[in-house]
Amino acid sequence: GAGVSQTPSNKVTEKGKYVELRCDPISGHTALYWYRQSLGQGPEFLIYFQGTGAADDSGLPNDRFFAVRPEGSVSTLKIQRTERGDSAVYLCASSLKTIGGELFFGEGSRLTVL
Amino acid sequence: AQRVTQPEKLLSVFKGAPVELKCNYSYSGSPELFWYVQYSRQRLQLLLRHISRESIKGFTADLNKGETSFHLKKPFAQEEDSAMYYCALTTSGTYKYIFGTGTRLKVLA
Repeated sequence: GAGVSQTPSNKVTEKGKYVELRCDPISGHTALYWYRQSLGQGPEFLIYFQGTGAADDSGLPNDRFFAVRPEGSVSTLKIQRTERGDSAVYLCASSLKTIGGELFFGEGSRLTVL
Repeated sequence: AQRVTQPEKLLSVFKGAPVELKCNYSYSGSPELFWYVQYSRQRLQLLLRHISRESIKGFTADLNKGETSFHLKKPFAQEEDSAMYYCALTTSGTYKYIFGTGTRLKVLA
């Protein structure tokens, strides 16, 4: 399909472990976003990429969170020393436009930290 | 800071009844407002945006700068409208979208 693809769809890990969540955006979309959605909440901004660079990482909650997009396409969100509070659905979205464009979301990666 | 408020977590209406999902925002400049929808077992997707001034699936939303609102309306609700609705804001010249907490709409037969 041509939509945003996220893997894994579900990840269960133990407290203290390292996890990687992958996002494959729509081909040609230079803008890529990561959001986090906790139960009963709306999507919360984490980081925005324009091409290969993180234009805004102000939403990352702390230095355990890091994201890369080395070739301007696929992005990986990395979480070190996971905590139970990191449990959430992590959403990736891409957009053709840099500003004000429609966001195309993936189905999300549900992370559960035991 | 920009903020989006959706005061209702759940809204239940009967089929054929009018529906209004409320959205208020706080931003002193010129915002761009959107409604995103998530149907059961589907991904979040754009429903409509205020700059397009369009009607999608019978839904409309008007930006009221005086009341800082962007309520979503439909005159006759259908069962297939049952979904989670999120209001979102972005500001001129920026890329960051701020989402509300969402309203679950249930249309009862």
